[in-house]
Amino acid sequence: GQSLEQPSEVTAVEGAIVQINCTYQTSGFYGLSWYQQHDGGAPTFLSYNALDGLEETGRFSSFLSRSDSYGYLLLQELQMKDSASYFCAVRDRTGFQKLVFGTGTRLLVSP
Amino acid sequence: DGGITQSPKYLFRKEGQNVTLSCEQNLNHDAMYWYRQDPGQGLRLIYYSQIVNDFQKGDIAEGYSVSREKKESFPLTVTSAQKNPTAFYLCAGRTGVTTGELFFGEGSRLTVL
Repeated sequence: GQSLEQPSEVTAVEGAIVQINCTYQTSGFYGLSWYQQHDGGAPTFLSYNALDGLEETGRFSSFLSRSDSYGYLLLQELQMKDSASYFCAVRDRTGFQKLVFGTGTRLLVSP
Repeated sequence: DGGITQSPKYLFRKEGQNVTLSCEQNLNHDAMYWYRQDPGQGLRLIYYSQIVNDFQKGDIAEGYSVSREKKESFPLTVTSAQKNPTAFYLCAGRTGVTTGELFFGEGSRLTVL
């Protein structure tokens, strides 16, 4: 089976940088994704890492270390609108079409 | 406009009643998914379908059923056998073949009284 661990909540101030960590256990591994979900809304895709290293998309970056079964989402120049829940998700080789999500990290950005 | 439409957005039902949640897409997705989300929790996979007339159980399929008679439609039935059906239900289609990226509908919030 698969399991993913994330911190339940992170707080930061506008303009700051925050890192949300994700550790996972899977039987085989295809890639790690990140999704953002505002309260009451639909999750939206942010990034995907299949190989080790950092992927940058604007203010958001995502990092993966396959040897450590670890990844993180880095949010820079935080804005109030970044207050949301962030989920990591894995695809593994036993269920190629399956995407399994972590329990999510609630990010609270204050002025 | 292309998208995934879930209906109804809000639904109230009495205990013991079956209820069917609609999910329609016009994005030509082959693979579609149903997830359940409880307050403050992550998304748990109920069922997924890779192609018409085929579907697989996810991690929490007990008490649920699906059908995939058309590519565009993937309805979910919450049966009376589901012990705690009150939740937020999300339907998604797979947009990224390489990344596995999912595109979600706006969800259906089911409350069982």
